[in-house]
Amino acid sequence: DIVLTQSPALAVSLGQRATISCRASQSVSTSSYNLMHWYQQKPGQQPKLLIYDASNLASSIPARFSGSGSGTDFTLTINPVQADDIATYYCQQSRELPFTFGSGTKLEIK
Amino acid sequence: EVQLVESGGGLVQPGRSMKLSCAASGFTFSNYGMAWVRQAPTKGLEWVATISYDGSSTYYRDSVKGRFTISRDNAKSTLYLQMNSLRSEDTATYYCTRGGGELDYWGQGVMVTVSS
Repeated sequence: DIVLTQSPALAVSLGQRATISCRASQSVSTSSYNLMHWYQQKPGQQPKLLIYDASNLASSIPARFSGSGSGTDFTLTINPVQADDIATYYCQQSRELPFTFGSGTKLEIK
Repeated sequence: EVQLVESGGGLVQPGRSMKLSCAASGFTFSNYGMAWVRQAPTKGLEWVATISYDGSSTYYRDSVKGRFTISRDNAKSTLYLQMNSLRSEDTATYYCTRGGGELDYWGQGVMVTVSS
């Protein structure tokens, strides 16, 4: 299985940039696609897709969110961070089965 | 508006069965692969199973293979998860999701508790 590693938590001041990383145990990229996706989950709610294929913004997601990366290293950036962004963020790969998720990064406000 | 509404959860004894349903609306259900993802209490997300748009292909994580069956009824726009021989480690909120790779819509989830 492809293991996705995320830092457990990140504290950022409002209005600043948050950078959340996800490292895969093997490449999740093909010749055409980077098959890494990002989700936001607020307490008591279902996850919401933010970014697909590493860098594509999902529908209705504000442009404060962006994604980058290829191969094994990926980043979700939130700039500027707002109070509403308090949540846990998960990466997920669909390069091979079983699909796997990272353990999540909890975004906190300083 | 895309909506996915799960039902069928609750408390079940170890070794027994339970069937989850997910009613889909707001999109052409028969055009999309679908999946179930679960989340144990206070834990992270775990992919469970995926089914192709026409039901011809199904995929499972190893820990549920042979016990769980994902299926769909495109005429009813409904996704199912039949869970047999349930174990305590299957206790989780089960989410119905749309997609075969990225999961772009999620239901609100249904809780399944396996306990005697």
